[in-house]
Amino acid sequence: NAGVTQTPKFRILKIGQSMTLQCAQDMNHNYMYWYRQDPGMGLKLIYYSVGAGITDKGEVPNGYNVSRSTTEDFPLRLELAAPSQTSVYFCASSRDRVSNQPQHFGDGTRLSIL
Amino acid sequence: GIQVEQSPPDLILQEGANSTLRCNFSDSVNNLQWFHQNPWGQLINLFYIPSGTKQNGRLSATTVATERYSLLYISSSQTTDSGVYFCAGSNYQLIWGAGTKLIIKP
Repeated sequence: NAGVTQTPKFRILKIGQSMTLQCAQDMNHNYMYWYRQDPGMGLKLIYYSVGAGITDKGEVPNGYNVSRSTTEDFPLRLELAAPSQTSVYFCASSRDRVSNQPQHFGDGTRLSIL
Repeated sequence: GIQVEQSPPDLILQEGANSTLRCNFSDSVNNLQWFHQNPWGQLINLFYIPSGTKQNGRLSATTVATERYSLLYISSSQTTDSGVYFCAGSNYQLIWGAGTKLIIKP
């Protein structure tokens, strides 16, 4: 049982490049989330999904896009990478909305934009 | 929106000591969680505790919802307890505090 799996673990991008951060969970959870964590800070919600085909913005969605074609996968796309997007990105899942169930986290993707 | 303040920001203790971490909320929340981020960056959910008291081994947490604060107690600290402890609360989306960085010295 792998839980939440994120790939890649590390990545360096040039300004203006694009990339997709992958996230997959094998717990059949309906809810999935993308967070970013800047140095010395707590997590901030970028996007979340309540099920396949349904996504919604979080606190800091600008510069990102998501899709949810299956229950298992929730990729995060950066279209035009900017230095301000240098951060550690965490994907999480929960059976129900955060208010009811604890969240399970992936190990994170450390992204640097140069 | 909800503001989350954690104190102290940093805490250095000797192995075996006890500690209390505090989390204050600017408004009432119906969901409150405590997380531990280990030195390798991994996040572990410790408690889901919108009110009352829970215990899990050497860790326990108490939330007084009417006064908008929560406390995390760590007893008989071990070096593996080192890391950053976050609280997060919401009525809809989780809002995270800046964390308490805990260092346990052997």
